[in-house]
Amino acid sequence: AQSVTQLGSHVSVSEGALVLLRCNYSSSVPPYLFWYVQYPNQGLQLLLKYTSAATLVKGINGFEAEFKKSETSFHLTKPSAHMSDAAEYFCAVSPGGYNKLIFGAGTRLAVHP
Amino acid sequence: GAVVSQHPSWVICKSGTSVKIECRSLDFQATTMFWYRQFPKQSLMLMATSNEGSKATYEQGVEKDKFLINHASLTLSTLTVTSAHPEDSSFYICSASMARGLAKNIQYFGAGTRLSVL
Repeated sequence: AQSVTQLGSHVSVSEGALVLLRCNYSSSVPPYLFWYVQYPNQGLQLLLKYTSAATLVKGINGFEAEFKKSETSFHLTKPSAHMSDAAEYFCAVSPGGYNKLIFGAGTRLAVHP
Repeated sequence: GAVVSQHPSWVICKSGTSVKIECRSLDFQATTMFWYRQFPKQSLMLMATSNEGSKATYEQGVEKDKFLINHASLTLSTLTVTSAHPEDSSFYICSASMARGLAKNIQYFGAGTRLSVL
């Protein structure tokens, strides 16, 4: 069975600090992996995706994620947090890249001055 | 590119009435559309997957007679919540994906519809 685990439902960082949001997945077939961001009362915006090419993926707004097969991880990072990064972040897996997305529980990122 | 529009953004209705939510892909042809439900401070739960011109595939536990999905064209899918009750109150989000091209199988999401049933 496929699943996604996001460690830490809430993460709080200072403005300018490193952002690290953790995601581990389970998939019986090579996965496609995604990070989405959701602002209050809005839909999801795609931050970045891994689709079996380069393991280090760069996305929008300065975010990047690294696919580590040995660790079954796809952690999201940003070198310097900005106040506007405060939002809910979802990691998702698409087993074999076949359309269906399985979401993690989400991590709420708070950024304080 | 790849913009998905969802309407309405917020709807309040009386218990027992039906509500229709529209999901449109504005600048691409969406061969597949998805409907999700999100409870407060929780993740997205897939309700159903619909392909243009065919019946939707519902996830286990989702009542197909309660949540009617129509995907009549490559740019429009609708979700109708029939005989809505307060427990149907939730945030409903649609997404759309295309079958070919660089964005193949990437899901693009609408802004969501907040349904409140009184």
